[in-house]
Amino acid sequence: KQEVTQIPAALSVPEGENLVLNCSFTDSAIYNLQWFRQDPGKGLTSLLLIQSSQREQTSGRLNASLDKSSGRSTLYIAASQPGDSATYLCAAPSGSARQLTFGSGTQLTVLP
Amino acid sequence: EAGVAQSPRYKIIEKRQSVAFWCNPISGHATLYWYQQILGQGPKLLIQFQNNGVVDDSQLPKDRFSAERLKGVDSTLKIQPAKLEDSAVYLCASSLGWTNRDTEAFFGQGTRLTVV
Repeated sequence: KQEVTQIPAALSVPEGENLVLNCSFTDSAIYNLQWFRQDPGKGLTSLLLIQSSQREQTSGRLNASLDKSSGRSTLYIAASQPGDSATYLCAAPSGSARQLTFGSGTQLTVLP
Repeated sequence: EAGVAQSPRYKIIEKRQSVAFWCNPISGHATLYWYQQILGQGPKLLIQFQNNGVVDDSQLPKDRFSAERLKGVDSTLKIQPAKLEDSAVYLCASSLGWTNRDTEAFFGQGTRLTVV
């Protein structure tokens, strides 16, 4: 059974800092890995999806990497802004039914 | 394109009452998921449909929860009777299908359920 862990659980940084969020998974037979953003009281917004054959995916100030062999993914946020404050979740589909398993998320606060 | 639609957005019920949530996935998406997200935790998969068939309901508390997907499009999730511990946000998501490139999931805004 896939288990996804995210570290740290919470992170507070001053505006302008570059930061890294970590995601690890136990079953390396994933099809892809998806990073989401969740604002308080809202649903999940897809940020990036990395296919299992890729090592990196970029969107604006966001860069996600994937290392299947070590069971890790990182989300790099450059030049953080207060608007980046949210909870960031990673999820990976695995198993015959492509069940999407989530980590508990990292709650990010960017201080102005 | 229109996103995943869910209703209602909020619901407050007393314990032992019943409640139903509705989800309309993105048009053409064959896979539909229902997740339960308790405050401070990541979403937990309750049930996954492929078209109108269930492919995974291993974490669905079947004594009180039920779900159906009519004609492989809309879906409803029901709780009967509700317990205090069912207070959570219920999220619906859909994806195009099964292949690697088709499993990107898109989520609705969720329904926040409070059981008092």
